[in-house]
Amino acid sequence: SQQGEEDPQALSIQEGENATMNCSYKTSINNLQWYRQNSGRGLVHLILIRSNEREKHSGRLRVTLDTSKKSSSLLITASRAADTASYFCATDARRLTGGGNKLTFGTGTQLKVEL
Amino acid sequence: DVKVTQSSRYLVKRTGEKVFLECVQDMDHENMFWYRQDPGLGLRLIYFSYDVKMKEKGDIPEGYSVSREKKERFSLILESASTNQTSMYLCASSLYGAGQETQYFGPGTRLLVL
Repeated sequence: SQQGEEDPQALSIQEGENATMNCSYKTSINNLQWYRQNSGRGLVHLILIRSNEREKHSGRLRVTLDTSKKSSSLLITASRAADTASYFCATDARRLTGGGNKLTFGTGTQLKVEL
Repeated sequence: DVKVTQSSRYLVKRTGEKVFLECVQDMDHENMFWYRQDPGLGLRLIYFSYDVKMKEKGDIPEGYSVSREKKERFSLILESASTNQTSMYLCASSLYGAGQETQYFGPGTRLLVL
């Protein structure tokens, strides 16, 4: 099964509302990342939170990490129609030869923000 | 800004054809990756490369090979395309070393094998 599992699979909200997505994982991690994917496009890195951090902010994004529960949440405040996309969490599963980490991605949350 | 480009956005091939997908990054990254993305399965790592001519298998390497002759370019090869290789293919790159976990993705190639 996937290391990262996002919940919910799909989320539909009105513009201006907050959107919360959750990610659960199974093994210990060094960090967790969130990525965004617009329909039919590549992934874009949003934010990284390390295992010794509990909360991190970037603009309208707020990420929390609870290593005891092996879970993370991504909050998008004051959502806009342009936030419509799929959101993926990615955990660093293992170190790769030569440096860098093998990332394991979840199956994503599809967010739709309606006007 | 990092830029990762992929040779085609859409590709249609016939079963048994040899298919080349190319990826180029312009930020001198050591690591490059090929993933495939399928509904309900998320992103799965096919191969990655940590240096020129160096490669390592990912989770689903069967039916694929790769080539990295230059640092900026990483090619994915389907020796004999099959219908179960119809998918979205994503290339990514990252810097070498601890603390360099962020991967930068190309726009993807949607491959249809008939």
